[in-house]
Amino acid sequence: DQQVKQNSPSLSVQEGRISILNCDYTNSMFDYFLWYKKYPAEGPTFLISISSIKDKNEDGRFTVFLNKSAKHLSLHIVPSQPGDSAVYFCAAHGGGGNKLTFGTGTQLKVEL
Amino acid sequence: EPEVTQTPSHQVTQMGQEVILRCVPISNHLYFYWYRQILGQKVEFLVSFYNNEISEKSEIFDDQFSVERPDGSNFTLKIRSTKLEDSAMYFCAITGVSTDTQYFGPGTRLTVL
Repeated sequence: DQQVKQNSPSLSVQEGRISILNCDYTNSMFDYFLWYKKYPAEGPTFLISISSIKDKNEDGRFTVFLNKSAKHLSLHIVPSQPGDSAVYFCAAHGGGGNKLTFGTGTQLKVEL
Repeated sequence: EPEVTQTPSHQVTQMGQEVILRCVPISNHLYFYWYRQILGQKVEFLVSFYNNEISEKSEIFDDQFSVERPDGSNFTLKIRSTKLEDSAMYFCAITGVSTDTQYFGPGTRLTVL
């Protein structure tokens, strides 16, 4: 039951360019979406979120876009930095209860 | 951002043994969660705990699992009789002012031999 999908397992971007990570979901009851960054052997670190009533949220270099009709969200990182290299998880809240439903993650590599 | 620590960082155990994983939030919180991540897979929800009661659990959270808050601060996950497939990273999470955003601890790596 993959309610949250990240179809790109990996992404490679040059330093200074834009990184775009994508996420699709199927459950229309999700009311809040979050992006987490994760390094190996560490816990997910919260990056940015967006409510389902908005279509954009920006925080510094990070911007999340939500297209409810397409059930699609994306995370834009600009400019990308080598320290951004990590696995990025999309997560959705709601659909019954307070649990988060995670996507499978996208490994971002920012190259010099 | 709320902080939470977890102990131990790594636990190795024999199949069939009981393990207790601990989560210690830095400040008082009402909502607690446990998630796990099997190597190479996505993070999966196990259980949520609110006001000293389980509020929601997944189908993974069977009778072998239990949670409690023994002293008002620690939050524990117990696996009574571990199986090989319980090997995973286990993450505790808490919510901040907004219950929509969950903040994760560093995790406990559980290895069942």
